[in-house]
Amino acid sequence: KNQVEQSPQSLIILEGKNCTLQCNYTVSPFSNLRWYKQDTGRGPVSLTIMTFSENTKSNGRYTATLDADTKQSSLHITASQLSDSASYICVVSAAGGYNKLIFGAGTRLAVHP
Amino acid sequence: DAGITQSPRYKITETGRQVTLMCHQTWSHSYMFWYRQDLGHGLRLIYYSAAADITDKGEVPDGYVVSRSKTENFPLTLESATRSQTSVYFCASSATGSASYEQYFGPGTRLTVT
Repeated sequence: KNQVEQSPQSLIILEGKNCTLQCNYTVSPFSNLRWYKQDTGRGPVSLTIMTFSENTKSNGRYTATLDADTKQSSLHITASQLSDSASYICVVSAAGGYNKLIFGAGTRLAVHP
Repeated sequence: DAGITQSPRYKITETGRQVTLMCHQTWSHSYMFWYRQDLGHGLRLIYYSAAADITDKGEVPDGYVVSRSKTENFPLTLESATRSQTSVYFCASSATGSASYEQYFGPGTRLTVT
């Protein structure tokens, strides 16, 4: 069964600190892995997308890594800001068909001053 | 550039009533999707559409009906709402069905069935 699991479920950090969110997946056939940011009351917005051959991708203070052998990904946030408070969702796209996405349940991050 | 919009943003309805959630996109994307998001779960696909007049079931289609008479609109109807359909509903669109293309999400509709 295709699954995406994320940890931790929630996280509280102080402004300016770094953090790393984890994602494990069992999706076949694999096409790509995405990280989305979802602010409260909004739809998810894409941060990064990585294919099988990419193992690191950055978007500003966000850096995603992918280990396709162990089927693990991480999202590292550097020098956190209050505006980083949101849910971060790991999403794996399955190859073939209709752009099928398998969503993790998300990690809820709270950045405190 | 309106992008993708949903209406209403909030809706309260009673068990057994019919309710329709609207989704409109301005990009002329071929693919459109409806998801529901429940606490503790990832987004789950209800229905998707590859083009006007072409729709197909997703992971959790029971109790829902969709139509797509125009490329830009993709309404979702709950024919007889149940409490288990209380959720946040997201519409999304994508230029093609290829897995390498981005899906863009609307702001969501929070539906409460009492």
